[in-house]
Amino acid sequence: QVTLRESGPALVKPTQTFTLTCTFSGFSLTTTGMSVSWIRQAPGEALEWLARIDWDDDEFYSTSVKTRLTISKDTSKNQVVLTVTTMDPVDTGTYYCARLTPYGASFDYWGQGTLVTVSS
Amino acid sequence: QSALTQPRSVSASPGRSVTLSCTGTSSDVGGSTFVSWYQQHPGRAPKLILYDVNKRPSGVPDRFSGSKSGNTASLTISGLQAEDEADYYCCSYAGTSYVFGTGTELTVL
Repeated sequence: QVTLRESGPALVKPTQTFTLTCTFSGFSLTTTGMSVSWIRQAPGEALEWLARIDWDDDEFYSTSVKTRLTISKDTSKNQVVLTVTTMDPVDTGTYYCARLTPYGASFDYWGQGTLVTVSS
Repeated sequence: QSALTQPRSVSASPGRSVTLSCTGTSSDVGGSTFVSWYQQHPGRAPKLILYDVNKRPSGVPDRFSGSKSGNTASLTISGLQAEDEADYYCCSYAGTSYVFGTGTELTVL
């Protein structure tokens, strides 16, 4: 059974650096073709893809926020970490991690999401 | 990359069929066979309901079907049920990036 769970601070101050952790089970990021992504959703708004990390350590980022994001993985802990620098109130929203179908065309399993508010 | 365009809201009666559109460009929807659709109920995580334009994951009813023509992908839901009332998002994968649609709120009257 595949599960993913996001964890991290619920409140972040503007300009701070912020880290979210996705802890997953039921699959391994050492398996060829496996990938995990981060997706966010501002309140009342659409989904926005942020980043992806692959089994072979390849990383991909949304061009709109690329300079502020870092995605990494710890395969021994079954975790994927997203770091976002220079947080701004517009970064407020629910952050989801999601597994991708093999070789990464769609998101087949999602975490429940974690709401992050950026406010002083 | 700009978000794919979806109608903001659509409504239909139970038992009827409804088609939701998702319009992009030749750089995303038009040039990709990897269009997926997600259903999101309020306060819940999105759920994959179609992938690769018209394939259904295990457990998704065959009332949900997909197609694509040019730069527009479509999701058709037949035999509408109350539980289908949700937000629906399309997504196009173009090799190294993903672009979601603006989302459609489906109301089952």
